[in-house]
Amino acid sequence: GQNIDQPTEMTATEGAIVQINCTYQTSGFNGLFWYQQHAGEAPTFLSYNVLDGLEEKGRFSSFLSRSKGYSYLLLKELQMKDSASYLCAVSGSWGKLQFGAGTQVVVTP
Amino acid sequence: GAVVSQHPSRVICKSGTSVKIECRSLDFQATTMFWYRQFPKQSLMLMATSNEGSKATYEQGVEKDKFLINHASLTLSTLTVTSAHPEDSSFYICSARDLSPTGEKLFFGSGTQLSVL
Repeated sequence: GQNIDQPTEMTATEGAIVQINCTYQTSGFNGLFWYQQHAGEAPTFLSYNVLDGLEEKGRFSSFLSRSKGYSYLLLKELQMKDSASYLCAVSGSWGKLQFGAGTQVVVTP
Repeated sequence: GAVVSQHPSRVICKSGTSVKIECRSLDFQATTMFWYRQFPKQSLMLMATSNEGSKATYEQGVEKDKFLINHASLTLSTLTVTSAHPEDSSFYICSARDLSPTGEKLFFGSGTQLSVL
C-alpha cells in the first residue's frame, strides 16, 4: 500500500531550529515536495527533492534519501509567522501527489 | 511565477443544489489538473485527475456522477458538486501541472470553502 508518515505536531521557540521528518512507502516515485499551509488557505510550495541529498533555500532546507524512503524539512531561525502546517507530499505515477497528514508547527515567543 | 486562479473562494449553498468551482492556469497551459478535498485538520485527499480533452480519472471512493469534472481547454478545469449535501462541506483545492523546460512544477489554486446548509 501507500503510506506517508510525519509527526502530528511540533513546538519550538522563536529563533530555534525544527526538523520535520517524513517517511514514505509509495508505488512510483517522481520526487518529494514540502508545502506550507496556513489554516483556511491553500498550500504554498517550499521545496522539491528528486535526487538524494540536501537542498537549501534560505531558512528552509530539505533532505531526501530515496533508499530509506525518508525526507526531512529543516526550518532555521524560526519566526512566529512560521507557525503553520507542513505537508510532505510524494509525486507518484502520472504526477499525482499523495500527501501526508501534515505536521502542525507551533512557534512560541 | 505561474499562477493558478480558483473561483469562488467561498460558497454557501442549500442542500440539493449544485455548485461549480473553476480552476484556471493563468500563464501556462495545463494539460493535467488535479482536484483535492481537505476536511478540517486533515490532509489533502486527491479526488480526481482532470485531463484536457478526455475524461477525468477518479480516485477510489469518489463518485464521478456527483463530482463532475470538465477540462474543456488547456487553461480551465471545472468541478461541479451536484446535489450537494452537508457532508460535502469541505475545502476544495485544485492544482495545475506545468511541464516547463526547467522541470515539472505543480501550482495550487487558493481553494474553495464549500458550506452546504
